Amino acid sequence: AQSVTQLGSHVSVSEGALVLLRCNYSSSVPPYLFWYVQYPNQGLQLLLKYTSAATLVKGINGFEAEFKKSETSFHLTKPSAHMSDAAEYFCAVRGSGGYQKVTFGTGTKLQVIP
Amino acid sequence: EAGVVQSPRYKIIEKKQPVAFWCNPISGHNTLYWYLQNLGQGPELLIRYENEEAVDDSQLPKDRFSAERLKGVDSTLKIQPAELGDSAVYLCASSLVSGGVADTQYFGPGTRLTVL
Repeated sequence: AQSVTQLGSHVSVSEGALVLLRCNYSSSVPPYLFWYVQYPNQGLQLLLKYTSAATLVKGINGFEAEFKKSETSFHLTKPSAHMSDAAEYFCAVRGSGGYQKVTFGTGTKLQVIP
Repeated sequence: EAGVVQSPRYKIIEKKQPVAFWCNPISGHNTLYWYLQNLGQGPELLIRYENEEAVDDSQLPKDRFSAERLKGVDSTLKIQPAELGDSAVYLCASSLVSGGVADTQYFGPGTRLTVL
C-alpha cells in the first residue's frame, strides 16, 4: 500500500520568497509521485510527476520537486512566489507496476502575502 | 482540446432526495475515475472504469451510490437517497491506460453537492 503525508495544512510566504511544500511518501514498491494544484472551485491540475527517470523534476509555473529515496521525500519548491500561486497543493503517490490506485495527501493551502 | 467536463457544477438538494452527476472525459481516454473530495481533504477514489467495465468499485458505498459508463464514454454517478454526510465535491478524472500503464489523470472542475 502507498500513502503520502503532507506536512503543514497551511503555509504562508511573502511574495518573492521561496516556496517549500513538504511531502513524504510510503510505498512498498518503487513509486510514481505527483504534485497537483487546485484553485478555488476548480479541479486538480498536474504540476509535475516523477516516474523513476531524473530525480529532479521540473513542472509548470516554475515549480520543481526532488525525489529523495533515502528521505522518502518529494518536496515541492519554487524560488520566488507569485500572488497567482495561492492555491491548494496535493501530493499523490501510486505504485509503478501495472495499474495502481493513486493516493492523495490531505493538501497544503498556500497563502502568498503581498 | 476540451478537458474533462462535469455537470452540474453545483447542486443543492434536501436529504433523502436523489441526485445525479454527469461526466464527459477527454476524447480518447479509456479510463474514467470518480473521486469524492471532502472539505480539507484530498480526493478519494470511488470507482474506476476501463472502457465500460467498472474495474475498481471497492470504495463505492453500493447501498446508495451507483454509477454507469454506457458505451465507454460518458459516465453518470448517482446517489439515492442522499444523506447529510454526502455533502462534498465529486470529481471526475480520465486517463489513457495503455499496456496496463496508466498515464496522467486529468480532472474536471467537480460538482459541489450540498445536502440540506
